[in-house]
Amino acid sequence: KNEVEQSPQNLTAQEGEFITINCSYSVGISALHWLQQHPGGGIVSLFMLSSGKKKHGRLIATINIQEKHSSLHITASHPRDSAVYICAVNDSGGGADGLTFGKGTHLIIQP
Amino acid sequence: GAVVSQHPSRVICKSGTSVKIECRSLDFQATTMFWYRQFPKQSLMLMATSNEGSKATYEQGVEKDKFLINHASLTLSTLTVTSAHPEDSSFYICSARTLRLQETQYFGPGTRLLVL
Repeated sequence: KNEVEQSPQNLTAQEGEFITINCSYSVGISALHWLQQHPGGGIVSLFMLSSGKKKHGRLIATINIQEKHSSLHITASHPRDSAVYICAVNDSGGGADGLTFGKGTHLIIQP
Repeated sequence: GAVVSQHPSRVICKSGTSVKIECRSLDFQATTMFWYRQFPKQSLMLMATSNEGSKATYEQGVEKDKFLINHASLTLSTLTVTSAHPEDSSFYICSARTLRLQETQYFGPGTRLLVL
């Protein structure tokens, strides 16, 4: 079973700052997901990656398969970005299993 | 994008009662649905995987007789918490996956269960 580690656990930053959240995993995967969970609990899927880099608006996600590491970046952060960001992986083998989740990074962006 | 709904969004019940949570894929056929549980300040944990028309596969430590899962159609899966106890109080989230996009999971909004 994969072990997914995220860092930092908590992050407080000022509006406008560049944010980086890191995720590492222990065994090969078929895909990695970045999810956003708001205080009410609802989850939004931000990215699904199997290689390289993806960008959506102010969000950028990268993955290095050899190093088993992914990063989520937020440029020009805004208070509405405050949420818990969760990294999750599909283990190699066709994604038959559900996701394995990291513990999440609690991000607060102060105005 | 694909939409998954859950009902109810919040439920409070007495200890010993059973609670049914529905998960629906609104605009696509979900060949597989996953049920997750999240205790306060902890990460999401997979409870079970359900494939349409077959028995659910439960993760180690999840009691299949307590958490009954039915995936009777390609758009609906239900999780029934039988004889709920306060320790079952948690946030339950489903996700759905299509045959065509095997690794994309679409999450429901979650159901917060409080057992008194």
